[in-house]
Amino acid sequence: QKEVEQDPGPLSVPEGAIVSLNCTYSNSAFQYFMWYRQYSRKGPELLMYTYSSGNKEDGRFTAQVDKSSKYISLFIRDSQPSDSATYLCATHSGGYQKVTFGTGTKLQVIP
Amino acid sequence: EAGVTQFPSHSVIEKGQTVTLRCDPISGHDNLYWYRRVMGKEIKFLLHFVKESKQDESGMPNNRFLAERTGGTYSTLKVQPAELEDSGVYFCASSQDLRVHEAFFGQGTRLTVV
Repeated sequence: QKEVEQDPGPLSVPEGAIVSLNCTYSNSAFQYFMWYRQYSRKGPELLMYTYSSGNKEDGRFTAQVDKSSKYISLFIRDSQPSDSATYLCATHSGGYQKVTFGTGTKLQVIP
Repeated sequence: EAGVTQFPSHSVIEKGQTVTLRCDPISGHDNLYWYRRVMGKEIKFLLHFVKESKQDESGMPNNRFLAERTGGTYSTLKVQPAELEDSGVYFCASSQDLRVHEAFFGQGTRLTVV
């Protein structure tokens, strides 16, 4: 079983829709939960990270972590065609521990 | 401020040859990480440098891979001899302190072994 599971998609939505991207994880030691956006032929770009449980909002993006169910989510409001990319969730338990990635979900926002 | 830069962006080599990938981290970032993504799989950790020292190399696949970071600045990742299964995209990232959750990634080097 992978430590971080993520549906690869692809996910296709109309412009303006609310997008929900999700991951599950198995390691209770994970403390940091990150979301990256990756455009084709580019490196991952950090969108936001959350420490422990709770919500974090940045503009149209909201990240949620539910440690009781080991479930992490990224919501994108008013989605735009420029949001079309692959979204990666990732976790680590702090300190010198390595980062573990999900496989990524490919999102397409149709104008 | 320059970001993390990787060279080359793409490399095609024959099985058995040697390839060296280079990563220039953001200036002042002591922590440098190498990752790899093979087709259809998730990005996986290879190793972590703190300055010039290898903090964690548990993700290195085998002894055909050699990473160095002389002087604590840029890093190289050498694959010798390359095998078909080494094909993938190799990413480098750097961070200040141990804030790997805020690390910046390079654009990656796409390695194709034929």
